[in-house]
Amino acid sequence: EAAVTQSPRNKVAVTGGKVTLSCNQTNNHNNMYWYRQDTGHGLRLIHYSYGAGSTEKGDIPDGYKASRPSQENFSLILELATPSQTSVYFCASGDGGANTGQLYFGEGSKLTVL
Amino acid sequence: GQQVQQSPASLVLQEGENAELQCNFSSTATQLQWFYQSPGGSLVSLLSNPSGTKHTGRLTSTTVTKERRSSLHISSSQTTDSGTYLCAIVSNNRIFFGDGTQLVVKP
Repeated sequence: EAAVTQSPRNKVAVTGGKVTLSCNQTNNHNNMYWYRQDTGHGLRLIHYSYGAGSTEKGDIPDGYKASRPSQENFSLILELATPSQTSVYFCASGDGGANTGQLYFGEGSKLTVL
Repeated sequence: GQQVQQSPASLVLQEGENAELQCNFSSTATQLQWFYQSPGGSLVSLLSNPSGTKHTGRLTSTTVTKERRSSLHISSSQTTDSGTYLCAIVSNNRIFFGDGTQLVVKP
């Protein structure tokens, strides 16, 4: 079954520390996405990717980097974490085509920056 | 850019009543999907329906592509249906979400 797996599921980091959130998909989808979800803001797009080696900025990319080393893996990197980055982060995959199946989401990664 | 508007923002029903949720989007979408999210939970796909009408269980989605709107009908609501329903569309390889409809079903 198609799946998107995120790790870690929970993370506590200190201000100024580096955080890497990882995402793996077994759907062989070209497109992958990183969102954060906060009360009052809904889901906001941070970075996305069209395929291995590509990363694109979403709507709120500041303070975040992304890496897509392979079709299956897409990471979100916080080089210098700040308390404002405390949130729940969701990864998703999809092929974006006209007659595509579904978008698949991971379980979410809860990040707390102290 | 693409905008996705959902209505109503919130809805309170008695168990057994039907719910009708709306999603309107501002430009062409190649894909449309309805998701359910429980409080603190992940997004669970309910229906993928870029055009036409689809049914699954008590859910019916109708998307009118030319009019850029979709609806999700929940029949005979149950308390376990409570949560947030999100509409998402794919346009130019990007996903755009609405803010969701918060549904509360009372026993």
